[in-house]
Amino acid sequence: GAVVSQHPSWVICKSGTSVKIECRSLDFQATTMFWYRQFPKQSLMLMATSNEGSKATYEQGVEKDKFLINHASLTLSTLTVTSAHPEDSSFYICSAFKGSGANVLTFGAGSRLTVL
Amino acid sequence: DQQVKQNSPSLSVQEGRISILNCDYTNSMFDYFLWYKKYPAEGPTFLISISSIKDKNEDGRFTVFLNKSAKHLSLHIVPSQPGDSAVYFCAATAGTYKYIFGTGTRLKVLA
Repeated sequence: GAVVSQHPSWVICKSGTSVKIECRSLDFQATTMFWYRQFPKQSLMLMATSNEGSKATYEQGVEKDKFLINHASLTLSTLTVTSAHPEDSSFYICSAFKGSGANVLTFGAGSRLTVL
Repeated sequence: DQQVKQNSPSLSVQEGRISILNCDYTNSMFDYFLWYKKYPAEGPTFLISISSIKDKNEDGRFTVFLNKSAKHLSLHIVPSQPGDSAVYFCAATAGTYKYIFGTGTRLKVLA
């Protein structure tokens, strides 16, 4: 149990366009999801905390108008990279809070974004 | 400011031997630590965790040691297997679900 699906796994877009990445908890409800970004050979950096039915909480230095997060249901959070630029190219990973156990977060497989 | 550091970007170990991955942290408020394994183009998968009230936790071939005074933890894998080859991240948290990750160590287990 506790599976998180992330889609798309790969996306290439032109500079200036917007890209939406979906994060779904498949077999559990997640009131809280987290979005991370990973640059090559660097750690996973938390971008924002997504709460169902309310506004996301962004980490310092993350532009909320650039990275729009919507958590409209208990099983789906979306991250939209608006007006993407090449420097937004990265690996984006979501995790969902499953509430119990030694490890309460389940991670998606990640989405590789390349902006041309 | 990197609060969780993994100073060895890579490690190679012979199959059957012990792999030791190290992690240092700076925030004394961290009270829970986790190790994750990550394959390329996949999300991290949970391996093992330890609370700050313990100094050791064991699960099969994986053991995590915590030295609070040194702000250091390590993951021991014994015996190492080729399938253990991956990037290993340590993570820490201070009573919340906001995990702070290290930069990762790429482990290569040689057959």
